[in-house]
Amino acid sequence: KAGVTQTPRYLIKTRGQQVTLSCSPISGHRSVSWYQQTPGQGLQFLFEYFSETQRNKGNFPGRFSGRQFSNSRSEMNVSTLELGDSALYLCASSFQRKSYNEQFFGPGTRLTVL
Amino acid sequence: KQEVTQIPAALSVPEGENLVLNCSFTDSAIYNLQWFRQDPGKGLTSLLLIQSSQREQTSGRLNASLDKSSGRSTLYIAASQPGDSATYLCAAATDKLIFGTGTRLQVFP
Repeated sequence: KAGVTQTPRYLIKTRGQQVTLSCSPISGHRSVSWYQQTPGQGLQFLFEYFSETQRNKGNFPGRFSGRQFSNSRSEMNVSTLELGDSALYLCASSFQRKSYNEQFFGPGTRLTVL
Repeated sequence: KQEVTQIPAALSVPEGENLVLNCSFTDSAIYNLQWFRQDPGKGLTSLLLIQSSQREQTSGRLNASLDKSSGRSTLYIAASQPGDSATYLCAAATDKLIFGTGTRLQVFP
């Protein structure tokens, strides 16, 4: 069974631009969560999607948004990029909602904002 | 607000040593406690998941324990190898995963 895949793996953008990241969960998994990892803040929860609906959201500004499609693939979008958005963005999938299920992580997308 | 702390922040040991990595959390109302491994620049690999009703889980040379009442989990690595070098993260599961800051482990030959 293929693991969680994320595209692209690397991105370089400039301040003010917007970016879209993609995550394909493990086949059969319906929940997708997104996390941001930075050296200063560590791993922080962004949001969770299940059945095409956002079920939970972390403490991030509205510039961060996401969606989930009927095939469970998910995208996250960051608008008006800031230097502080440079991070490794990880998505995780699980069979059911919420984190009491084992979560499987993708390799991440490394975003650099110049 | 759930907070997760990991001690030590870094550890460097010779091959063959048995290791203990510590994780503490402030709110005992968790679904489970998960341990992950992260290699530099890579994603997370799930190592062990301990449900809140369990006391420990084992996988190969890894053993993780959970004491909800004291807010602690321990990851025990037996007979460490250079291939174990990585950052180890614990995460407390509530409505989301709350991660600790990790323990960076280096095992030298």
